[in-house]
Amino acid sequence: KAGVTQTPRYLIKTRGQQVTLSCSPISGHRSVSWYQQTPGQGLQFLFEYFSETQRNKGNFPGRFSGRQFSNSRSEMNVSTLELGDSALYLCASSQGQPEEKLFFGSGTQLSVL
Amino acid sequence: AQSVTQLGSHVSVSEGALVLLRCNYSSSVPPYLFWYVQYPNQGLQLLLKYTTGATLVKGINGFEAEFKKSETSFHLTKPSAHMSDAAEYFCAVRNNNNDMRFGAGTRLTVKP
Repeated sequence: KAGVTQTPRYLIKTRGQQVTLSCSPISGHRSVSWYQQTPGQGLQFLFEYFSETQRNKGNFPGRFSGRQFSNSRSEMNVSTLELGDSALYLCASSQGQPEEKLFFGSGTQLSVL
Repeated sequence: AQSVTQLGSHVSVSEGALVLLRCNYSSSVPPYLFWYVQYPNQGLQLLLKYTTGATLVKGINGFEAEFKKSETSFHLTKPSAHMSDAAEYFCAVRNNNNDMRFGAGTRLTVKP
């Protein structure tokens, strides 16, 4: 079974641009979560999608948005990029039950110049 | 809202010594608790989890953790550290709404 796949692996953007990150979950998984990881801040929860619906949302500004497609693949979009958006963005998938573990991708490293 | 506090952003131990990584949580309902490990340039992988039942949970690579409801803690331990244990460790809490929150992480260094 293929793992969680995130593309691209690395991304360099400039302030004011927008970016779209992609996540393909493990086959059969219906839940996809997104996290922002920065040194010293740990993993900050962005949002979780389950069966194409946003089920949970963290405390990020509206510039951060996401969606999930019928095949459970998910995209995350950040508009009007700021320097502080530089981070590792991690995607995780599961079947969607709270007692289950999350399977993480290797992340997309976003650098905003 | 639930939250996780990991005491100590960096912990250093000698090879063969006890590893103790601390985690305290806040949650309005009985939580599900997790420890994940992240090796350099990799995603996170599950070490162990507590859902219900026995409060002492054993995980991979010799790690274990004990859920103490009265102390709202879920500390991670390993009797004898190995060089390969050097990594970043994250504690996480999730409620029945599937809202999962992570701590800031603890970087473990193992000295020879």
